[in-house]
Amino acid sequence: QKEVEQNSGPLSVPEGAIASLNCTYSDRGSQSFFWYRQYSGKSPELIMSIYSNGDKEDGRFTAQLNKASQYVSLLIRDSQPSDSATYLCAVLGSNYQLIWGAGTKLIIKP
Amino acid sequence: DTEVTQTPKHLVMGMTNKKSLKCEQHMGHRAMYWYKQKAKKPPELMFVYSYEKLSINESVPSRFSPECPNSSLLNLHLHALQPEDSALYLCASSQVGPIYGYTFGSGTRLTVV
Repeated sequence: QKEVEQNSGPLSVPEGAIASLNCTYSDRGSQSFFWYRQYSGKSPELIMSIYSNGDKEDGRFTAQLNKASQYVSLLIRDSQPSDSATYLCAVLGSNYQLIWGAGTKLIIKP
Repeated sequence: DTEVTQTPKHLVMGMTNKKSLKCEQHMGHRAMYWYKQKAKKPPELMFVYSYEKLSINESVPSRFSPECPNSSLLNLHLHALQPEDSALYLCASSQVGPIYGYTFGSGTRLTVV
């Protein structure tokens, strides 16, 4: 059974600090890795994708991938209350099917 | 156009009703998906269409019937649903072999009474 694991949280972070979200996956053949943000009652929104080992930065967001250790992380710098949401990690498995983590609820406290 | 449009946004239906959910995209994506999402859970895959052909049916009950009339449209026909089918129904699209991820619609909040 191919799995993606995330800590369900909630993860509470002070405003202005760095929020660090982590995800591990079991399928070594996975090729593409995604972070989606989902506000309560809304649909998931793709915020970051990463395909190769290392870091990828986009504004306040940095995705980190380590295929050897099978983990992917998302860092949010200068966290804002508007970043409060559930963050879903999704991994494209070797069969081209997207496998979802259960999501981490992030709370940014003013 | 970078959007997936879903209608209606909200739907309340009785257990004997027939209704349809609609999804449209004009991004040239040739893969389209129906997901079901319950509160505090990740999206759960229901159906995948690839080049307008049903490629994956995740053992979904026959009271859900998908249809892909053309490369831009995806429907989900609902009949004789149960209260436990109440959920957020999400449509998404992507390139075939979605290495660049999905684009989701805003969803239909379905309540079965």
